[in-house]
Parts: sequence; structure tokens; C-alpha cells
Amino acid sequence: QKEVEQNSGPLSVPEGAIASLNCTYSDRGSQSFFWYRQYSGKSPELIMFIYSNGDKEDGRFTAQLNKASQYVSLLIRDSQPSDSATYLCAVSPAHSSASKIIFGSGTRLSIRP
Amino acid sequence: ETGVTQTPRHLVMGMTNKKSLKCEQHLGHNAMYWYKQSAKKPLELMFVYSLEERVENNSVPSRFSPECPNSSHLFLHLHTLQPEDSALYLCASSQLQGGNEQFFGPGTRLTVL
Repeated sequence: QKEVEQNSGPLSVPEGAIASLNCTYSDRGSQSFFWYRQYSGKSPELIMFIYSNGDKEDGRFTAQLNKASQYVSLLIRDSQPSDSATYLCAVSPAHSSASKIIFGSGTRLSIRP
Repeated sequence: ETGVTQTPRHLVMGMTNKKSLKCEQHLGHNAMYWYKQSAKKPLELMFVYSLEERVENNSVPSRFSPECPNSSHLFLHLHTLQPEDSALYLCASSQLQGGNEQFFGPGTRLTVL
């Protein structure tokens, strides 16, 4: 089992709709959870982080964490073509040394006009 | 300069060359990282430096040699690389006492001929 799993996609969503990206992780003791956006040919950009169960909202983005189910998701409301990118889920496992975080392989999101 | 910078942005080298990648962070962080990103593969953590001390070496071949002279600078020295080492090399930094959000530089696109 991979430590951080994401559906590779592509996930196609019409402009203006809600895009829902999902991620599961294997280490039950994980404490910190991150979502990065990566445009083609560019480096990952941190867009959300969440540490506590529940929802965290920032503009059009909402991160949802359910530690009991070992599940974290990212919702993007009012999707725009500029949201088309690969979204990386990352988790800081409990057993890690220093500040190691584990990345998923990413979900490619495509917003169709 | 702000954030995390990397030089050069592009590098083409032969298998017998020696070159170095440079990373500098202007965020006051105390941990720095090297990642490798190959096409259609997830981010691979290579090295972690915490308070200028190497704390993680993810089974990286010895042809990659990191150096962290101070908390703001990180180098990756390259020698006798193989064509399969061609990839995007990303540097990141974070603050250990905190949520461990990692911030990435723009990356160096390396091609080994």
C-alpha cells in the first residue's frame, strides 16, 4: 500500500462547478496535511494545509480532513480554467525524522470552459 | 530576492562532467530539502538538512553529493551522472518549529546526455 494515494485522473470538471480531489494515507498517526498545485513545467505551490479534523476554508478552496478514515480532500468552488493543474496531496507521517513529508503522485485536474 | 531561488534553471551536461546546483532560501527557515521529479513519477525526496545537519539520505547514489554550508544555502554536486538522472530537481525549505509547510524553488531542469 502506498503511503499517500491519489487518483491520477485526469478529472474533468466544467467551469463554474465544484472540483473534488481526494487523498488517502496509510500512517494513522500523521499530523499535518498539505495540498500543492503544480502547473506543467513549474514547481509545486502550497495552496492549503490542515492539521485538525474538519474543514478549513480559504477563498474558493476548502480542505477537509477525516483522521478516523485517513482521508483528506480538497474542494475547489467556482472552478476556473486557471485551476487546471496537477494537485499533490502531502502528509507528514508520525514516524518521520526531521520535517519529512510524503507526496502522493498527484491528480490532474482539467477545467473545461 | 524572495522565497526560494535556484540556479541554474536549466542544465545540460555530459556523463563525465561535474556540475553543481545551487539553492538559496530567503524565508528564515532552518530546514532544506532536495527532491527529484521525473516525468510521470511522484516527487522523490533525496536529502533533508535540519539545522545544517543532514538528517535524511533516501538511498541516493553517491554521484549526487549535497552540501549545506549554512541555513540559507544548499548545493547539490553532480558527477558522472547517467541519462536516467535527467529530471527536474527541486529545492524546498521549511521551518521546523511549526506546521512544516515546505516552500519550493522553481527547480533546475537537468538533462544528462
